[in-house]
Amino acid sequence: EPEVTQTPSHQVTQMGQEVILRCVPISNHLYFYWYRQILGQKVEFLVSFYNNEISEKSEIFDDQFSVERPDGSNFTLKIRSTKLEDSAMYFCASSGGTGSIDTQYFGPGTRLTVL
Amino acid sequence: KNQVEQSPQSLIILEGKNCTLQCNYTVSPFSNLRWYKQDTGRGPVSLTIMTFSENTKSNGRYTATLDADTKQSSLHITASQLSDSASYICVVRGSGGSYIPTFGRGTSLIVHP
Repeated sequence: EPEVTQTPSHQVTQMGQEVILRCVPISNHLYFYWYRQILGQKVEFLVSFYNNEISEKSEIFDDQFSVERPDGSNFTLKIRSTKLEDSAMYFCASSGGTGSIDTQYFGPGTRLTVL
Repeated sequence: KNQVEQSPQSLIILEGKNCTLQCNYTVSPFSNLRWYKQDTGRGPVSLTIMTFSENTKSNGRYTATLDADTKQSSLHITASQLSDSASYICVVRGSGGSYIPTFGRGTSLIVHP
């Protein structure tokens, strides 16, 4: 069964450094998402992406964050100048459609630890 | 402000027993409500989705109910198994142009043998 994959599974970085989290969505999906989950807290929406541009973004997704689909398979989240509070689990998801009833398939997540 | 509240925060049951998890929301206008299962260290997996006109939906041993008037939903798990141990998350989407979902904090379910 096709699945969303994410790399790395765990990323440790120093405060102030830039990180790139990578995702490979399900191959025939066209809509991509990033979420984060701070330890012990609820999942939070960051951004949705379609046709090489951002569809929606939350208040969390400020200028520190950017997304890109550099080729036909990868979808990346870049976090510049990381802060301690960026430590969280970051989930990528993809869906075949953008309708609100379309199922999003989540990847296993990347645990980001900022020291 | 859109909010989703879940109860209980955690629940411990014995294998084979049934349980019911609750979700209350304030998202308006309402589009749909999903229940997800999230295993530790993994991404959420969709169990059920319910729209405004649906009252009950089942997926194997999972049965979700929705009362759109009172803005409440429940997830009933029948004949629990050890593999049901996970966090169960209620997610509500509104209508009206934004697809940003509102997540609940989840109910942590532990099934003991």
